[in-house]
Amino acid sequence: EAGVVQSPRYKIIEKKQPVAFWCNPISGHNTLYWYLQNLGQGPELLIRYENEEAVDDSQLPKDRFSAERLKGVDSTLKIQPAELGDSAVYLCASSQTSSFGELFFGEGSRLTVL
Amino acid sequence: GQQLNQSPQSMFIQEGEDVSMNCTSSSIFNTWLWYKQDPGEGPVLLIALYKAGELTSNGRLTAQFGITRKDSFLNISASIPSDVGIYFCAGQKIQGAQKLVFGQGTRLTINP
Repeated sequence: EAGVVQSPRYKIIEKKQPVAFWCNPISGHNTLYWYLQNLGQGPELLIRYENEEAVDDSQLPKDRFSAERLKGVDSTLKIQPAELGDSAVYLCASSQTSSFGELFFGEGSRLTVL
Repeated sequence: GQQLNQSPQSMFIQEGEDVSMNCTSSSIFNTWLWYKQDPGEGPVLLIALYKAGELTSNGRLTAQFGITRKDSFLNISASIPSDVGIYFCAGQKIQGAQKLVFGQGTRLTINP
C-alpha cells in the first residue's frame, strides 16, 4: 500500500515568490493534515481536513497561506508571497480517524526562501 | 505554540545501553503517542497509549501513559545503531479541538 506522497521534496525560491505543495494521502484516509516543522522543533499543525472540509485552520496564517482539498482526496498548500521565515519542512499526514492521533506522515517538502 | 516538554533534548549513548526519555505537560491529555523521525523523513508512529497508567511495548520499546495524564515515558532497551533519530512525544485532547500537539523532540545519538 502506498504511503502519503508529497511533492516537491525540495523547493528553493526567492522571497515574495509563490510556492505550492501537493499531498496525496493514503487511500481511504478521510482526515488530512498539513504540519509545519521548523529546524529542531516538533511539527505544528497548520490545518486539518475532514474529507473536503477544513475543520481546524486556526494556526494557518491566512494572509499568505491557503490550502484546499476540493474532492476530499489530495490537497494543495500554497504560500503567496513567501517570506524568509517560511523556510521549513512542510509535512502532510493522513489518518482514518481524527480521534486517536495515529497519523501517517509523508516525507515532507523542504522549503528554502532566499 | 508547543505545550509538551520533552527531556532530555539530546542523548549520546553507547550501543547496547538502555534509553529513557519523558514528556510532560501542564494539561491533561487523553491519548499519548511516540513518533520517531529519521533525517529527511516524516515521523513514524512507534507506540500509542489510550488509558492512564497503560504500559505498552513494541519490541525493545516500552512506553507508559502517566497516571496523572500529564506525562508519558519511553524506554528503549539494548539500543542498536538504527535507533538513532529524533523521538517525539505527542498528546491529543478529546475535549475541544482534536489537535495533536508535539513535543520538541529528543535527539538520540549512538556511539558504536
